[in-house]
Amino acid sequence: SYVVTQTPHMSVAPGKTAGITCEGDNIGDKNVHWYQLRPGQPPTVVMYNANDRPSGIPERFSASKSANTATLTISGVDDGDEADYYCQVVDLDNDQRLFGGGTKLTVL
Amino acid sequence: HVQLVESGGGVVQPGASLRLSCGGSTFDFHNHGLNWVRQTPGKGLEWVAYISEDGTYDFVTDSVKGRFTVFRDNFKSTMSLQMNSLRPEDTAVYYCTRNRAGGSYDLWGRGTLVTVSS
Repeated sequence: SYVVTQTPHMSVAPGKTAGITCEGDNIGDKNVHWYQLRPGQPPTVVMYNANDRPSGIPERFSASKSANTATLTISGVDDGDEADYYCQVVDLDNDQRLFGGGTKLTVL
Repeated sequence: HVQLVESGGGVVQPGASLRLSCGGSTFDFHNHGLNWVRQTPGKGLEWVAYISEDGTYDFVTDSVKGRFTVFRDNFKSTMSLQMNSLRPEDTAVYYCTRNRAGGSYDLWGRGTLVTVSS
């Protein structure tokens, strides 16, 4: 079965850039979406289809993909960005709908 | 107000059954595929089940096959998850989500907690 891997923890200083990665075989050929999860709240999507930003999400959020890695980049990190971030990999041809294990982003 | 609202969670013993419901309001419910996604402290987010817009196509993740069934009633704008033979590892907050193009989820409910414990 398909495996999606995320680094469990990441720390970044305010104002710096955070790059949260999601690794999987040929992930570049699949749809990848990113979600932010704060305690006590349902997840919210922060990036669609690798680099399509929903309304209300600041331009500081961007995303990219290579052959086997998808990356969510948050520039100018602030305290409000502290949360868990999950990638979701979707391969509709094979009915694959997987979440990564999540990355807990801590703002120092 | 566009929203999804889950209900039906609770505390049950291993082997018991439970039915979760999800109601949608203020959007074209019948034009969207829907999902159940669960969140556990140890395993994070896990997709559980999907059902197509008209309910003719559905499938579930391997760990719940043969135990969970998803169905919907577009006239009532509701989706349900019938959970049988519950196990402690099914303990989670269960969210219903709305599908968007590309398989992302653009709308989530607040979730309902299911606890399976003796």
